[in-house]
Amino acid sequence: DAMVIQNPRYQVTQFGKPVTLSCSQTLNHNVMYWYQQKSSQAPKLLFHYYDKDFNNEADTPDNFQSRRPNTSFCFLDIRSPGLGDAAMYLCATSRVSGLVSYTFGSGTRLTVV
Amino acid sequence: AQSVTQLDSQVPVFEEAPVELRCNYSSSVSVYLFWYVQYPNQGLQLLLKYLSGSTLVKGINGFEAEFNKSQTSFHLRKPSVHISDTAEYFCAVISGNTPLVFGKGTRLSVIA
Repeated sequence: DAMVIQNPRYQVTQFGKPVTLSCSQTLNHNVMYWYQQKSSQAPKLLFHYYDKDFNNEADTPDNFQSRRPNTSFCFLDIRSPGLGDAAMYLCATSRVSGLVSYTFGSGTRLTVV
Repeated sequence: AQSVTQLDSQVPVFEEAPVELRCNYSSSVSVYLFWYVQYPNQGLQLLLKYLSGSTLVKGINGFEAEFNKSQTSFHLRKPSVHISDTAEYFCAVISGNTPLVFGKGTRLSVIA
């Protein structure tokens, strides 16, 4: 089935050690999003790509970066993870012509030790 | 800026009882409204969405929601809940070209 796949499902990283989370899609959607969801909170948008155009939310820390090498893949890089970055990270996609239809991946739960 | 308010952070309800989860939005322009469900350690699953047309929207798992423009509400309802409905429920909105914005969520706990 066409879908959004996030790897890994669970990631443990050390304080300050760079970590990369991966998202791939087989839907050929133009737009890809990264949301951060901390425990018992709502998902919060970090940034999104409209094709290759990068759109950063104003309050996203500089510690968070993203790359989209092609339509299918998008990566979230955390340059120096802190304990406060422990969260579920959700990737989503949508079509430009149908921005109202988002497809979410299963998420990656990041633990910082 | 677009915002969504979920009035109840937690809703306990007995099995087979009806439930309503409340959601209000703020926008002066046309909106698209959504309800998502999230089970522990999982991603978000779309329950239903309102784009246009009929204000009563039916979704999966027996849920429905009613769009009320005058009250800027989009409450989620189910006439009879099951233990398996225990989860976190998020109301969300898209307005114009802005990405999806979520409410803070309501934790539904179904009691046997």
